Amino acid sequence: GDSVTQMEGPVTLSEEAFLTINCTYTATGYPSLFWYVQYPGEGLQLLLKATKADDKGSNKGFEATYRKETTSFHLEKGSVQVSDSAVYFCALSVEGAQKLVFGQGTRLTINP
Amino acid sequence: GAGVSQSPSNKVTEKGKDVELRCDPISGHTALYWYRQSLGQGLEFLIYFQGNSAPDKSGLPSDRFSAERTGGSVSTLTIQRTQQEDSAVYLCASTTRTGGRGYTFGSGTRLTVV
Repeated sequence: GDSVTQMEGPVTLSEEAFLTINCTYTATGYPSLFWYVQYPGEGLQLLLKATKADDKGSNKGFEATYRKETTSFHLEKGSVQVSDSAVYFCALSVEGAQKLVFGQGTRLTINP
Repeated sequence: GAGVSQSPSNKVTEKGKDVELRCDPISGHTALYWYRQSLGQGLEFLIYFQGNSAPDKSGLPSDRFSAERTGGSVSTLTIQRTQQEDSAVYLCASTTRTGGRGYTFGSGTRLTVV
């Protein structure tokens, strides 16, 4: 079945550090890939997405590239801020399928 | 509406009682989803509605859980005879299509069973 595996957390970094959160997937079809973010006390928000191989999604300084050959969609940011502290979820949806499949989430804490 | 609205935002109930959680999706969104987020865990799919099609109930954890969607809009998730392990945040999401465009989530209902 379809599944998403995320880098285990929690992840703690200092402000201005480089961030990578790994995400790999298994899908029976050709998936669209997403990163969602959940800030403390808030609901899930779509951070970025990519719908086909080699697409790069980007938003708020975050980037992720759809790599079909490695079935990956790693999240990166060159210089994190304290305000980036949140839980990040990688997810996929297969065309014609009926639900988003989420990874387990990675809690990120950025210290000043 | 402008976003997905869920009510109540918080619910504390006694073990054994029934609860109803409500979701009002974005106007025009035909697909509606319920997920459960337990403390320290990821998101667990519960049920999916798409237009007038029969819902996908494959994620419901037991027969104490049920959901309906009236008129293709508002949805209600009902948990009967609540148990402590039902304590979680219940999230609703809607979208215009299945896959490819992302989903809009509500802020969730935090359910605590005491």
